Amino acid sequence: AQTVTQSQPEMSVQEAETVTLSCTYDTSESDYYLFWYKQPPSRQMILVIRQEAYKQQNATENRFSVNFQKAAKSFSLKISDSQLGDAAMYFCAYRDQGAQKLVFGQGTRLTINP
Amino acid sequence: GAVVSQHPSWVICKSGTSVKIECRSLDFQATTMFWYRQFPKQSLMLMATSNEGSKATYEQGVEKDKFLINHASLTLSTLTVTSAHPEDSSFYICSAGRAGETQYFGPGTRLLVL
Repeated sequence: AQTVTQSQPEMSVQEAETVTLSCTYDTSESDYYLFWYKQPPSRQMILVIRQEAYKQQNATENRFSVNFQKAAKSFSLKISDSQLGDAAMYFCAYRDQGAQKLVFGQGTRLTINP
Repeated sequence: GAVVSQHPSWVICKSGTSVKIECRSLDFQATTMFWYRQFPKQSLMLMATSNEGSKATYEQGVEKDKFLINHASLTLSTLTVTSAHPEDSSFYICSAGRAGETQYFGPGTRLLVL
C-alpha cells in the first residue's frame, strides 16, 4: 500500500522568508499524482499545488513551488516570501493515476513569525 | 476551483440519537464523494468512498452500520451517524470529484455528542 510521510510535525519561518516542507512517499506505481493541501484554522482544505508524476518539470503556483524527485520519491513544498496568511497545517497527499482515493501524510504545522 | 458545501457546520446531539450530514457539490457533478474523519491535530482519515447510485465502500475498521452513507445523486451525498456516542465526536469532512480529476473539499462538520 502507498504511504506518505511528513517528517516535520512543526515548522516556523519569519515573515517574508522562504521555508521548505518535506514529504516522502512510497509506491510501486509509475503514474500517479502528488498534492499539497493547506488547512488553515477554519479547517477548510485548500489545494495548494498539484504535480503529475510523468511531468519532469516542477509545478509552481505563484509563491508556491515543489521539488519533485521521482527516483528519490520526494516531494517538497517551497513557500517563498512567507506571509502571515500562510500559517496553517500543510498536508502532502498521493493518488494513483487510476484511482480517486487520496493518501495523506501526517501534516506539518507551519507558523509564520511577524 | 469547484465548490463543495456541507450542512450543518456544527451539530450537538444527545447520546443515542442519529445525526445526518449533507455534502453537496454546488457547481459540478461529482461521480465520487469521500467522507473523512479528523481528530484534533491529526491527519484526515478516510472513512468511505461513495459512488453515485451504488453502495459505499468502507475502509477497514469503519462500521458500515454505524456510519450510513447514501449517494443518491451526482450532487449530494449524506453521512448518517447512527446511535451516536461521545466517542463519535469529531470533525467530519467530505470531498467530491470526478474520475481522474482533483478532489474538492467541503468546509467540514463539527459533531459533539453529549
